[in-house]
Amino acid sequence: DAGITQSPRHKVTETGTPVTLRCHQTENHRYMYWYRQDPGHGLRLIHYSYGVKDTDKGEVSDGYSVSRSKTEDFLLTLESATSSQTSVYFCAISDLRKSTDTQYFGPGTRLTVL
Amino acid sequence: QKEVEQNSGPLSVPEGAIASLNCTYSDRGSQSFFWYRQYSGKSPELIMSIYSNGDKEDGRFTAQLNKASQYVSLLIRDSQPSDSATYLCASEAGNQFYFGTGTSLTVIP
Repeated sequence: DAGITQSPRHKVTETGTPVTLRCHQTENHRYMYWYRQDPGHGLRLIHYSYGVKDTDKGEVSDGYSVSRSKTEDFLLTLESATSSQTSVYFCAISDLRKSTDTQYFGPGTRLTVL
Repeated sequence: QKEVEQNSGPLSVPEGAIASLNCTYSDRGSQSFFWYRQYSGKSPELIMSIYSNGDKEDGRFTAQLNKASQYVSLLIRDSQPSDSATYLCASEAGNQFYFGTGTSLTVIP
């Protein structure tokens, strides 16, 4: 998985509780991304980061916030989890210093909101 | 909206046959294109990348790109049961990656 870990790998929580997912990379890549994957929707971008403290919204950012205080860590927070946020969450990294660079994915976190 | 469209399938082929997967994209500014393979319960894994018009071959895999038609395809020759997975097409533009919903491929022994 190209030096990317995600924690936790599985989580069950209740509606209304805060949840934080962590992505950690050892590749020193500049770009980090959070996606969610749901049947029939494919991979949808939630937020991404292009450097420490530099983040931007993706296609489905409502209800999510992110932080990146170190190059290697990118945190995704659900401030008040809802059942619609039940999904598989993937972190990805990319260097993009060359036009031929691509993304590499972490192992994923399966989140269930009851 | 930078869309990537794929036939969702499912696509079934017999072992040893050629599997053909297709993808179209809407953003003419996209320069880089990728095919990922995703096994059930696993994360996407890059199998091919292509950046210029024409064919690119890697083992049993051939990616084809036609920028004029905004079309990308993946051919898998001598398909094996281990190729059974969902295949995701993706494009890159503006530091973001755009994914299709995936095509499910089953290779029947």
